[in-house]
Amino acid sequence: EPEVTQTPSHQVTQMGQEVILRCVPISNHLYFYWYRQILGQKVEFLVSFYNNEISEKSEIFDDQFSVERPDGSNFTLKIRSTKLEDSAMYFCASREPHTSGGAGELFFGEGSRLTVL
Amino acid sequence: GQSLEQPSEVTAVEGAIVQMNCTYQTSGFYGLSWYQQHDGGAPTFLSYNALDGLEETGRFSSFLSRSDSYGYLLLQELQMKDSASYFCAVTPSGTYKYIFGTGTRLKVLA
Repeated sequence: EPEVTQTPSHQVTQMGQEVILRCVPISNHLYFYWYRQILGQKVEFLVSFYNNEISEKSEIFDDQFSVERPDGSNFTLKIRSTKLEDSAMYFCASREPHTSGGAGELFFGEGSRLTVL
Repeated sequence: GQSLEQPSEVTAVEGAIVQMNCTYQTSGFYGLSWYQQHDGGAPTFLSYNALDGLEETGRFSSFLSRSDSYGYLLLQELQMKDSASYFCAVTPSGTYKYIFGTGTRLKVLA
């Protein structure tokens, strides 16, 4: 069964460093997302990506963050100059194609846990 | 903006029925989705209501009332493996993003 894969599963970094989280969405999906979940809290929308450009972004997704689809399969989230409060689980998701409105199921990866020290 | 509120925690016993509510404030949306998340795991899709009324999928049922700005997820014949967090989510009109609720942590007791 196709799945969304994410690497690394866990990354520890020093405050101020840059991290790149990687995702391989399901191959025939067209919409890609990054979400963040601080431990014990809700799943927060960061950004959506379609047709090789950002479709929507939240107020959380400021200049510290960027996304890229460098090739036909990978989808990356870059966090520059990390802060303590960036510590969270970051989920990549893709949406099944040929659906409209809110009907499409989101398929999530297993997440990348970021710990900023 | 959008906000979706859910009770933080619900406890029930094996074999019972439990209802988890979701109240929302949003200017317009396509439909209400429900996702399950086990500890340390990823959210997984459970159900979707585009229209008012009840949708049933096995032991899970989901309900939406747009006039009451309210929905719920109903789980029947509870099993220990149902212990997890449950999130409602909406897709605001004109967008393809999903906004998640605060989540309800369900504990199933033997």
